[in-house]
Amino acid sequence: DVKVTQSSRYLVKRTGEKVFLECVQDMDHENMFWYRQDPGLGLRLIYFSYDVKMKEKGDIPEGYSVSREKKERFSLILESASTNQTSMYLCASNKGGETEAFFGQGTRLTVV
Amino acid sequence: AQSVAQPEDQVNVAEGNPLTVKCTYSVSGNPYLFWYVQYPNRGLQFLLKYITGDNLVKGSYGFEAEFNKSQTSFHLKKPSALVSDSALYFCAVRDIGGRRALTFGSGTRLQVQP
Repeated sequence: DVKVTQSSRYLVKRTGEKVFLECVQDMDHENMFWYRQDPGLGLRLIYFSYDVKMKEKGDIPEGYSVSREKKERFSLILESASTNQTSMYLCASNKGGETEAFFGQGTRLTVV
Repeated sequence: AQSVAQPEDQVNVAEGNPLTVKCTYSVSGNPYLFWYVQYPNRGLQFLLKYITGDNLVKGSYGFEAEFNKSQTSFHLKKPSALVSDSALYFCAVRDIGGRRALTFGSGTRLQVQP
């Protein structure tokens, strides 16, 4: 089975902290994605990557950056966490084309 | 640009009755369409997808969806609902030849009453 693993299920951080969310996939997928999920808004794309060191902005990239140094790992970075970044963060990967995306279990981040 | 609309925040249905969860989409070209389900405190699980060909697509757990190009819709259906189907359902689209990432709808909560 494809596995997408996010490093933390729950995270509490203070305003202004630099936050790292890690995601690892074990199926050699080219594409990896970070979404945030908020009630009533569905999933919104923050960033995605289609190859090592390659990235593209999604719909809500402000306040976030990403890093993909190895094919299997995609990190989301909150440069200076703010309370409006309190959310559920979901990582996903796929092989591209018409293939479906596989999701991690999510990280619920609370910024206080 | 690609977008998805799920017009119902919540759908209530009695166990054993048929269910429909609605989805409409907008793309510049042709779409790949997907349905996902999310159970509490879990990530999203893939249910089914439309790529090309037969407009009626069958997926996991007895779900199916019908692609209608003229109405730009991709409604999720099941002939007989189960209480265990209660969950949050997301429709997603990717424009073929467009952005590689999926665009998701806002989600529909399905509540199946015993």
